[in-house]
This record gives sequence, structure tokens and C-alpha cells, in this order.
Amino acid sequence: DAKTTQPPSMDCAEGRAANLPCNHSTISGNEYVYWYRQIHSQGPQYIIHGLKNNETNEMASLIITEDRKSSTLILPHATLRDTAVYYCIVTNNDMRFGAGTRLTVKP
Amino acid sequence: GAGVSQSPSNKVTEKGKDVELRCDPISGHTALYWYRQSLGQGLEFLIYFQGNSAPDKSGLPSDRFSAERTGGSVSTLTIQRTQQEDSAVYLCASSFGGGAAYNEQFFGPGTRLTVL
Repeated sequence: DAKTTQPPSMDCAEGRAANLPCNHSTISGNEYVYWYRQIHSQGPQYIIHGLKNNETNEMASLIITEDRKSSTLILPHATLRDTAVYYCIVTNNDMRFGAGTRLTVKP
Repeated sequence: GAGVSQSPSNKVTEKGKDVELRCDPISGHTALYWYRQSLGQGLEFLIYFQGNSAPDKSGLPSDRFSAERTGGSVSTLTIQRTQQEDSAVYLCASSFGGGAAYNEQFFGPGTRLTVL
């Protein structure tokens, strides 16, 4: 079973920041938070991951709360090509994908 | 370098037939995963191989499903006596397998299975 809860869908205006929340209240100390996205008809694509510190890469930023029970993926300047299903996964080994959040970026 | 490849890209079969789906992971990746995705649904974990350890088969939906990984590289997912509900896209992924800190998975393009 997925250990995360995400809103089923979100909208974002093009050029604005997209903030995608994820709740993982049962996360254990050795589990990482991973984010993937799946653009229509393609395989999932890795975005970012973290343990307890905030992380940033060329695609996104990951903000993890101090108690690690939730996190937020931030796409700083969303484009139409960022429209996808975004999956938040908590793992220390295998990956169990939930239903994810369907993000729609609108012009 | 080459990514994860899967074959065939599409497979149409008749109910009751057996099918084999192949996955070639990225060279050097010790971890290999199989998922399936039904139309409009999320990814469903099927099986996970890590090095020479016994695979985690906890996601296989029935005993008609099996998978093997030969020589720690290529993997084959076999579905026996296919049913219409087996119709889905079957995705394979591989990763370095160095623990959760290095578990970025790279996905193949998938095999679309249609059971008539």
C-alpha cells in the first residue's frame, strides 16, 4: 500500500509556481521521499528525492517539514509541458506508487 | 548511454494464451522492477529484483504471473493463461540499487498488452 496521500488534481497558471503537497505521516526514520512524474503515454520520470533536508535541482525543489510528516514539491515556473501526474513515494527500498496528483498547467 | 528497453512495444493476444515480456535494464543496475498500469490508473507494483537476493514477489496479482532475471541483467515477465483484465501497460524500471539514497529509477517505454 502507498504510504502517501496526495490531492487527486491541481491546476496552475503557466509561469507561476506549482506547489504539490504530499502527506506521509507514517514515514519512518530511514525512509526517503521520492517524487516522480508521468507525462501522458510515457514512463515515469524521476524528479527529486530527499531524507530530511530541503533539496533543489534543475527541475524542482523539495521542502520536507521538520517532523517529516509532509513535503511539498515546487516547480518554480510551471510550463505547459509540466502537465503530468506527479507521484510522491516514501521508500527505503522498493517503490509503491499511489494515485498521484494530476497537475494541469493552464495558459 | 542506452536506457531501459522493453520488448515487444505492443502485444495483442487471445484469452488463455501465455505471453512473455522482456526488459533490458541499464548496464550496471542491480535493481529491477516490474509495474503495470491499467488505462487511467496509477502504477501497480508487481515484482522487485535486487542483485542475487530472492525477489520480492508480493505485488504479483496471481500465480499466473511469474518473472525471472537471468544473470542479474535481462528480466522476463511471464503471464500464463491470459485474461482480459491483464490488459495494461507493463513497465520495467532499473536503478543502481545502492539503497534508498540512490534509488532513482529509470523506466522503460513499456509494453502495451491487449488480451482479446
